[in-house]
Amino acid sequence: ETGVTQTPRHLVMGMTNKKSLKCEQHLGHNAMYWYKQSAKKPLELMFVYNFKEQTENNSVPSRFSPECPNSSHLFLHLHTLQPEDSALYLCASSFDLTGGHYEQYFGPGTRLTVT
Amino acid sequence: AQKITQTQPGMFVQEKEAVTLDCTYDTSDQSYGLFWYKQPSSGEMIFLIYQGSYDEQNATEGRYSLNFQKARKSANLVISASQLGDSAMYFCAMREGVLMDSSYKLIFGSGTRLLVRP
Repeated sequence: ETGVTQTPRHLVMGMTNKKSLKCEQHLGHNAMYWYKQSAKKPLELMFVYNFKEQTENNSVPSRFSPECPNSSHLFLHLHTLQPEDSALYLCASSFDLTGGHYEQYFGPGTRLTVT
Repeated sequence: AQKITQTQPGMFVQEKEAVTLDCTYDTSDQSYGLFWYKQPSSGEMIFLIYQGSYDEQNATEGRYSLNFQKARKSANLVISASQLGDSAMYFCAMREGVLMDSSYKLIFGSGTRLLVRP
């Protein structure tokens, strides 16, 4: 049990739809991340939030819009997606360094299919 | 330039035997960290083991050990006494630079699919 939950687990949407992915971490971490995992490609970092502030936007198209209302919740708002956006979207969180923990904890992912 | 290279797209191992998964990295930073994650078919990434660039001893976590050869820039994962449940994708990842705050970027390799044969 990782303590990071993601909903929904599976999502099928048309290119004109608007949907949101939700991530919640129950670990008291300060930083949260969105990653994209496409078939046959390495995991790609999309966004990083530290204490609710966005610290990284890895050249992600504007049709992906993140939101981090607090250190425990992270959303990814989706609109006018393209079929090539179909992928597994993984959320992760990491701990305050003073605790001596270095790893990122991942959620189970949302499998997104854009039709 | 690719920073993390995993040259084995797929590997087989017999149950109860040991297996080594290769990982080489490229960085000009003196301070960095190396991670291995396991991804079963369910999708979630499970942290296995961490090695800091200044750690003098190889990291070990149960049946997992990291063969860290700094001069060769390699960080191979060794799984001893393989179990059927070890069948999964395995990813090597690197964090570059000095840790300044809680957040950091991880760069992942392309992964190795391990299948454990009974």
